[in-house]
Amino acid sequence: AQKITQTQPGMFVQEKEAVTLDCTYDTSDQSYGLFWYKQPSSGEMIFLIYQGSYDEQNATEGRYSLNFQKARKSANLVISASQLGDSAMYFCASMGGDDKIIFGKGTRLHILP
Amino acid sequence: GAGVSQSPRYKVAKRGQDVALRCDPISGHVSLFWYQQALGQGPEFLTYFQNEAQLDKSGLPSDRFFAERPEGSVSTLKIQRTQQEDSAVYLCASSLSRDGANVLTFGAGSRLTVL
Repeated sequence: AQKITQTQPGMFVQEKEAVTLDCTYDTSDQSYGLFWYKQPSSGEMIFLIYQGSYDEQNATEGRYSLNFQKARKSANLVISASQLGDSAMYFCASMGGDDKIIFGKGTRLHILP
Repeated sequence: GAGVSQSPRYKVAKRGQDVALRCDPISGHVSLFWYQQALGQGPEFLTYFQNEAQLDKSGLPSDRFFAERPEGSVSTLKIQRTQQEDSAVYLCASSLSRDGANVLTFGAGSRLTVL
């Protein structure tokens, strides 16, 4: 069984600063995938970034990067140069060998002007 | 279609009524997932399909919940004898399921309110 833990219910960050959102996962699968999604107040779920368990390099997508530490079962999202539009809920998710995808409880990020 | 379409967007039901929520995935997408999202919480897995096969329904809260995808495209989530605790947003998502990266495209959700 998979499990995702996001320990930060809410975070406040000053605009233009970098922010790290924590995510730890638990899986018995050898092959798995990790995702981050953003959910603004409008409610839509937006895919941000993906990391495969066998990928040796950390995934990056523009201002987003995934700090993947396999031994620690950690997949933190780093947002560089935060913007006001980054204020949203952020969800970490995992996909196991059965292709089932589960989500964490999320972190609400507030960017302060 | 261009995106995942869900209907109705909003549904108000009296306790005890049956409801049906529809999901039209992106054409050609193999995998289809249903999630339940309570206010301020993360999406909770309900069930998922690959084509018409329901591979996992372990997240369905009770036998009042039933999902189907008979022709491997459109899916319906049915909730019988609705209860107040069923009030939530029901999210549908689909993916091509290729290259090991099952990137989900979500619909806008169906918000169910049970009175």
